[in-house]
Amino acid sequence: AQTVTQSQPEMSVQEAETVTLSCTYDTSESDYYLFWYKQPPSRQMILVIRQEAYKQQNATENRFSVNFQKAAKSFSLKISDSQLGDAAMYFCAYRPGGGGADGLTFGKGTHLIIQP
Amino acid sequence: EAGVAQSPRYKIIEKRQSVAFWCNPISGHATLYWYQQILGQGPKLLIQFQNNGVVDDSQLPKDRFSAERLKGVDSTLKIQPAKLEDSAVYLCASSLESRAANTEAFFGQGTRLTVV
Repeated sequence: AQTVTQSQPEMSVQEAETVTLSCTYDTSESDYYLFWYKQPPSRQMILVIRQEAYKQQNATENRFSVNFQKAAKSFSLKISDSQLGDAAMYFCAYRPGGGGADGLTFGKGTHLIIQP
Repeated sequence: EAGVAQSPRYKIIEKRQSVAFWCNPISGHATLYWYQQILGQGPKLLIQFQNNGVVDDSQLPKDRFSAERLKGVDSTLKIQPAKLEDSAVYLCASSLESRAANTEAFFGQGTRLTVV
């Protein structure tokens, strides 16, 4: 079974600074996808960024980028120029590739606080 | 495009009572997921449907939980009888199809269940 570990229950950053959220995972599969989701108090999960395991290039979406280290099974999220609207719970998630069931396996989350 | 709709938003019941949640996925989305999110944890997959067939229900407590998606569109999740530990947010998500490389799961705002 796959597991996803987020070792930082809470992180705090000053507005306009950069913050990195950590995530490690464990899987025996070679084909899979990794995601970072944002969950504001409204509870709706919002996709921030995704990474295909077969791609060596790290994914980037505007101020959000990842550092994907496949051999180390590490998938960290970097948020540059932090904004007040970035404050939320952030969840790292794993999805298997190939055929069959493909539900997401989530970590426990990191609560990101943005200080003005 | 309308998002994933869930109702009710909140529900409070006494233990041993029954409760049902409803989900209407995004139009045309073949895959539907139900997740349980206990306070302070990441969501956990309960069941995955592909059209009206079950793909994965390995983590569904079948002695008290049931789910159906009769016409391959709307879905209901039922708990009978409820226990205190069922207090959680129940999230519904949908995607166009599973296993496609760039398939994104879209989440509803969830139903917060409190069992007293």
